[in-house]
Amino acid sequence: NAGVTQTPKFQVLKTGQSMTLQCAQDMNHEYMSWYRQDPGMGLRLIHYSVGAGITDQGEVPNGYNVSRSTTEDFPLRLLSAAPSQTSVYFCASSYSMTGRGVGYTFGSGTRLTVV
Amino acid sequence: KQEVTQIPAALSVPEGENLVLNCSFTDSAIYNLQWFRQDPGKGLTSLLLIQSSQREQTSGRLNASLDKSSGRSTLYIAASQPGDSATYLCAVRRYFGNEKLTFGTGTRLTIIP
Repeated sequence: NAGVTQTPKFQVLKTGQSMTLQCAQDMNHEYMSWYRQDPGMGLRLIHYSVGAGITDQGEVPNGYNVSRSTTEDFPLRLLSAAPSQTSVYFCASSYSMTGRGVGYTFGSGTRLTVV
Repeated sequence: KQEVTQIPAALSVPEGENLVLNCSFTDSAIYNLQWFRQDPGKGLTSLLLIQSSQREQTSGRLNASLDKSSGRSTLYIAASQPGDSATYLCAVRRYFGNEKLTFGTGTRLTIIP
């Protein structure tokens, strides 16, 4: 049981490049989310999904795209990387609130640097 | 808007001491509260989850309490060990609306051998 798997672990991008951060979970969780963690600002929600085919914006969605074609996968796309997107990105998943009521499981993170 | 505060931002204690970490939140309409630990350069590891209807949860040397009406939770660590050194984060989850965890900025704990 791998939990939440994020790839890559580290990435350096040039300004203007695009890339996709991958996230996969094998726990059959309905909910999946992307957070970014910046010093002094805590973790902030970028996008989330309550099930396959359903996504919505969080606190800081600008510059990011998501899709959820399967229950297992929730990729995060950076459309045109900017230095302000230098951060550590975490993917998280959970059962639905009306389900088993357990907490979130987080991946190990992707450390992204945009130069 | 829900705000979560963790004070102090950093704490150093000698090994073996019992300690309490604090978490306060402004909106008491929460579904649950979750405590995490984060080691430097690593992801978040879930420690304890307290549902809004519960008062406390225990796991080994850890005990988390929840007082929803006053907007407070505490994480009690008994007989601290150097391996407990990490940043501890609390996060609250709303009843409805956006599916979102609101995090505090954490308490960086150092256990001195």
